[in-house]
Amino acid sequence: QQKVQQSPESLIVPEGGMASLNCTSSDRNVDYFWWYRQHSGKSPKMLMSIFSNGEKEEGRFTVHLNKASLHTSLHIRDSQPSDSALYLCAASSGNMGYKLTFGTGTSLLVDP
Amino acid sequence: GGIITQTPKFLIGQEGQKLTLKCQQNFNHDTMYWYRQDSGKGLRLIYYSITENDLQKGDLSEGYDASREKKSSFSLTVTSAQKNEMAVFLCASTPGGANYAEQFFGPGTRLTVL
Repeated sequence: QQKVQQSPESLIVPEGGMASLNCTSSDRNVDYFWWYRQHSGKSPKMLMSIFSNGEKEEGRFTVHLNKASLHTSLHIRDSQPSDSALYLCAASSGNMGYKLTFGTGTSLLVDP
Repeated sequence: GGIITQTPKFLIGQEGQKLTLKCQQNFNHDTMYWYRQDSGKGLRLIYYSITENDLQKGDLSEGYDASREKKSSFSLTVTSAQKNEMAVFLCASTPGGANYAEQFFGPGTRLTVL
């Protein structure tokens, strides 16, 4: 059974700082990673997705992917209090791209 | 745009009770999902339905049944509620035929079993 491991479990960064979140899959068939953000009491919303080696940037958010190690990371620069949330990594593979396996999440607190 | 609605928002049940949660989406999406989330942790897949009339078990299907009544609606039944169980059940949908597409989530049903 595929597992998606996220680290750290929780993270506190000062306002304006850089937050770095990690995610690794144990399934060699995984070829697509997703990052979802869930504010407290709300439902998850997709933040970014990546399937190619390298990095992808959208505003203050950058995602890296190393396909050889099945490791992805999410970096948030100039962190804002509104970035405080649970960040969920998910992975999918092959012709079952519609079926996601989620990690247990990283709880980010941005300290104003 | 579209929206996913889940009813009820809060569900309180008794141990051993059979409980049904409902989900409706107006995205016209083919694929729908039920997830369970414990204590603000990760999501675990209970059941999913790739198209209308399809039903697939996820990793956590034991103790649950599901029904895809029509394209827009997907129900989940807790067959026998467990005492002190507390979790949020999230419904999601995604377009069919698109293997790698964003999943959209409903607001959730919060279950408490006394």
